[in-house]
Amino acid sequence: DVVLTQTPSTLSATIGQSVSISCRSSQSLLDSAGNTYLYWYLQRPGQSPQLLIYLVSNLGSGVPNRFSGSGSGTDFTLKISGVEAEDLGVYYCMQATHAPLTFGSGTKLEIK
Amino acid sequence: EVQLVESGGGLVQPGRSLKLSCVASGFTFNNYWMTWIRQAPGKGLEWVASITNTGGSTYYPDSVKGRFTISRDNAKSTLYLQMNSLRSEDTATYYCTRATDYGGHDYWGQGVMVTVSS
Repeated sequence: DVVLTQTPSTLSATIGQSVSISCRSSQSLLDSAGNTYLYWYLQRPGQSPQLLIYLVSNLGSGVPNRFSGSGSGTDFTLKISGVEAEDLGVYYCMQATHAPLTFGSGTKLEIK
Repeated sequence: EVQLVESGGGLVQPGRSLKLSCVASGFTFNNYWMTWIRQAPGKGLEWVASITNTGGSTYYPDSVKGRFTISRDNAKSTLYLQMNSLRSEDTATYYCTRATDYGGHDYWGQGVMVTVSS
């Protein structure tokens, strides 16, 4: 199975600070058709996860543009440009290039 | 408004069975693949099962293959998860999700808790 390693595991930020979360895959997520099935989700405390980013860099519906995704192959990054209080929670990356679908272990964002 | 409402969770003894349901509304159910994803208490997310829009194909990880069965009734806009031979490690919140045609999951239910314990 593909292992997704997220770093850091915990992140503490002040309001307005920009932060990045890394997601490294044990295998390339580029498929034979040239697609990269890498996604980012946010799970706020006590809530269900929500889709932030799909296919590496596309913003989900209703997601603020302070969120952005980038990367290729095995290295991917989620950036929040100007953290807001509502951004606290756990961020997960997920891959769907290789079966079975797998998730990273999560990065908890705390607000200072 | 898209809604996914799960039910059927609860406390069950190891080795017993449980069936979860997820009623969908606000979209054309038979146009979408659907997926169950679970989260053990205090842990991360784990894919459990997926089903094509017609129900003609299903997919599972090894951890549940042969024990869990995903199915759907498109006439009732309802997704199911039949869980047999339950183990303590199946204890989790189970989320019903809608899969997009680009592979992500854009809508999630509120989750239903399953506790496997004697």
